[in-house]
Amino acid sequence: DAGVIQSPRHEVTEMGQEVTLRCKPISGHDYLFWYRQTMMRGLELLIYFNNNVPIDDSGMPEDRFSAKMPNASFSTLKIQPSEPRDSAVYFCASSLGTPSEQYFGPGTRLTVT
Amino acid sequence: KQEVTQIPAALSVPEGENLVLNCSFTDSAIYNLQWFRQDPGKGLTSLLLIQSSQREQTSGRLNASLDKSSGRSTLYIAASQPGDSATYLCAVSPRYSGGYQKVTFGTGTKLQVIP
Repeated sequence: DAGVIQSPRHEVTEMGQEVTLRCKPISGHDYLFWYRQTMMRGLELLIYFNNNVPIDDSGMPEDRFSAKMPNASFSTLKIQPSEPRDSAVYFCASSLGTPSEQYFGPGTRLTVT
Repeated sequence: KQEVTQIPAALSVPEGENLVLNCSFTDSAIYNLQWFRQDPGKGLTSLLLIQSSQREQTSGRLNASLDKSSGRSTLYIAASQPGDSATYLCAVSPRYSGGYQKVTFGTGTKLQVIP
């Protein structure tokens, strides 16, 4: 398996623009997680899905953030409108069952100017 | 609320030295503890996962130990190499009680191995 795939790897956008991050989990994994990493706050769990259903979105910072998982092989994290404080690295991870080993994607580095 | 601490935040050692990275957690009711490696600009790579019933796990030059009673885990790296330079994070899963249990990550130790 190719592992968890994320796109784009880098995104630079202007404040107010919509940003969509994409993730393809490892085939067969039933849990998908979206994390955000910053120097100040470290790794934060934003939302996670089980069998394509959002289970806990309490980590989503604001209504500007939304996530979807239309099928078992694809998920998106959308920020609309984006703000400079959203600049961070966003990771997607997946696992088979829980609690079990999580496999992380390479991340998307987002810069909002 | 579980808190996970990694001290020091950064460590620099000469090549060939054996070293220990520390991870402390406040709530001993854990299910497992995982050590990750993160290279600059990259994602997290799982190194070792220790179940709460285990005392240690080994993979090559890496050995991770777990002492739940004292709330500590250590990652031992033998004969360090420049390629070991990276940030190492530990992550704790709470005791399983059904459904997903939120993992708590430490802030990491940035290791530099000098040739």
